Amino acid sequence: DAGVIQSPRHEVTEMGQEVTLRCKPISGHDYLFWYRQTMMRGLELLIYFNNNVPIDDSGMPEDRFSAKMPNASFSTLKIQPSEPRDSAVYFCASSPTRQLSSYEQYFGPGTRLTVT
Amino acid sequence: AQKVTQAQTEISVVEKEDVTLDCVYETRDTTYYLFWYKQPPSGELVFLIRRNSFDEQNEISGRYSWNFQKSTSSFNFTITASQVVDSAVYFCALSGSGNTGKLIFGQGTTLQVKP
Repeated sequence: DAGVIQSPRHEVTEMGQEVTLRCKPISGHDYLFWYRQTMMRGLELLIYFNNNVPIDDSGMPEDRFSAKMPNASFSTLKIQPSEPRDSAVYFCASSPTRQLSSYEQYFGPGTRLTVT
Repeated sequence: AQKVTQAQTEISVVEKEDVTLDCVYETRDTTYYLFWYKQPPSGELVFLIRRNSFDEQNEISGRYSWNFQKSTSSFNFTITASQVVDSAVYFCALSGSGNTGKLIFGQGTTLQVKP
């Protein structure tokens, strides 16, 4: 079975440009998570969806960040306008419907974003 | 507040040595889950183990073993007879409050296994 798919794997853009990161979760998984990883802050949860509905976006750093999940097999994380401090690795993860709060998450390979 | 502390930032060992990665957590929940993930140099995060708060039995999987002690709020990970392929960053994580799916990650421990 295919795992979580993310694209692009690498993105280099100039400050002020719009960036869109894409994620395809594992088929049948009801939960989708977006994380950001930086040296300074480690792994941070940005937002997560359940059945395509955003449940908690309290980790989204500011209004420049937005995420959507138009269907069960696709999600996007958009940064507009991008800034150098957004440079990080962005991970998407998915998880099946829980039984008794089992939180195992399957991570994609990540998108390494560099904003110059 | 929920928190995970991995006090060891970097560990370097020689192949075939045993190594233990420490993880201490804080939570007020009575039901919670603990996890270990591995991040090899290629960058992806690989799930290793999940443990719930009601199961304090130690677990062994090949060269890997985990020691969960609620009394000290610790969930330590031991690699026996380490190999170069074990070189990676290892993250301990704690499930968030309630059935939210949030994972609280520690800062990670970078393990370097030298030949």
